[in-house]
Amino acid sequence: SQQGEEDPQALSIQEGENATMNCSYKTSINNLQWYRQNSGRGLVHLILIRSNEREKHSGRLRVTLDTSKKSSSLLITASRAADTASYFCATEYSGAGSYQLTFGKGTKLSVIP
Amino acid sequence: NAGVTQTPKFQVLKTGQSMTLQCAQDMNHEYMSWYRQDPGMGLRLIHYSVGAGITDQGEVPNGYNVSRSTTEDFPLRLLSAAPSQTSVYFCASSYGGANEKLFFGSGTQLSVL
Repeated sequence: SQQGEEDPQALSIQEGENATMNCSYKTSINNLQWYRQNSGRGLVHLILIRSNEREKHSGRLRVTLDTSKKSSSLLITASRAADTASYFCATEYSGAGSYQLTFGKGTKLSVIP
Repeated sequence: NAGVTQTPKFQVLKTGQSMTLQCAQDMNHEYMSWYRQDPGMGLRLIHYSVGAGITDQGEVPNGYNVSRSTTEDFPLRLLSAAPSQTSVYFCASSYGGANEKLFFGSGTQLSVL
C-alpha cells in the first residue's frame, strides 16, 4: 500500500500566488522527498528532508516536516506558469521498508498566467 | 552525461508476449529501481537493486523479473504480458539508495492488447 497521501489532489492558482501541498504518511520514516513531474515526463527531484530536520529551503521552495503528525508540506512561493506540474511526496520508511521509496498519488498544480 | 536512459519509449504487445525494458545509467549509481505509474495510482515500486548481483521485490513484483549483472544496467522483463501491465514504466537510480535523491529516466509507455 502507498505510504504517502498528498492533499489536495488538484490545485489551481493564479500566477504570483503561493501554492501549498501537503503529504501525510503512516509509519516512521528515514526521510521524505518531493518530486515534480511535468506532463509525459520523468520525475525530477526537488528536496529531500531527513527525519531529524524540520524545515528546508531551495530557491522558491520550502518544505516542512512534522514527524509527530506524520506530515509534510511543500510551499512554492510566487508561482509561475512553468510550475504547472504534478507534485509527489515519497517516503523511505524505517525498518523493513528501507531501500524502498514509496510515492503518493500526487497533487496536480495548475498555475494560470 | 546521459543520466538514466530507458528504451524503448513506446511499445505495444499482445497478451502473452514477452519483452524486456532496458534501463542504463552512466553515473556509477549502486541503487536502481523500476516503478510503474498508472492513472490515479501514483508510482508503485516493482523491483529494486542495491548493487550488481543483488535484487529485491517491491510492492508489485508479480509478472516481472529483473537481474543486475553490471552496475550500469537494470533490465525489466515481462514474462507473459497481460492487459493489467499496460502502464508507464520508469527506471530510477541513486548513488546510495532510497535515502538519496533518485534520478529518473523518461519512461516507457507500454500497451498490452
